Amino acid sequence: DTAVSQTPKYLVTQMGNDKSIKCEQNLGHDTMYWYKQDSKKFLKIMFSYNNKELIINETVPNRFSPKSPDKAHLNLHINSLELGDSAVYFCASSQEGQGRDTQYFGPGTRLTVL
Amino acid sequence: KQEVTQIPAALSVPEGENLVLNCSFTDSAIYNLQWFRQDPGKGLTSLLLIQSSQREQTSGRLNASLDKSSGRSTLYIAASQPGDSATYLCAVRRRGSNYKLTFGKGTLLTVNP
Repeated sequence: DTAVSQTPKYLVTQMGNDKSIKCEQNLGHDTMYWYKQDSKKFLKIMFSYNNKELIINETVPNRFSPKSPDKAHLNLHINSLELGDSAVYFCASSQEGQGRDTQYFGPGTRLTVL
Repeated sequence: KQEVTQIPAALSVPEGENLVLNCSFTDSAIYNLQWFRQDPGKGLTSLLLIQSSQREQTSGRLNASLDKSSGRSTLYIAASQPGDSATYLCAVRRRGSNYKLTFGKGTLLTVNP
């Protein structure tokens, strides 16, 4: 009955590799997000999709590419991984309007780049 | 550019104390403000959401207030328990920001038995 799920929970990889993180929500929400939490625990938005359409794209390197095959899924693909990409990545979802726009977060994916 | 500041960065209290966590933001043109809780190694759990037209929200032992004109919000926790130990994050959504939340760096709360 998990609301927002992410896989994998941990990801350890070498510099230069390409990796993907998957996110799924079963809340019926129309908006999904990717956040990055750095080593200092600071949480910052990366992308947001509403009904499969990109609506937020912060100043993220183009090595990061989100993909939304449908409203319930938002995957994050990262090319040519760098040491500075090591962080915890959180997926979230929300349903806009009528005061119901609380964001619900997944458990996070801890990415370590060696 | 919206900036969100949380004070104190860390707080340690004995069990049973009432406590207040503070959040301030630089741009008062907000749509809503959310308080989250983050346990170590876990995701964020939404505690309270206050719309810009509201002054406060309550859930159990938690009460959050919002003063847009001064750019401040407080989270009041009554009768604290060891299980309240976590990092508390404040996040602000600006009007017309296309759903973007700007987070503070959080307050690490430790409630000692």
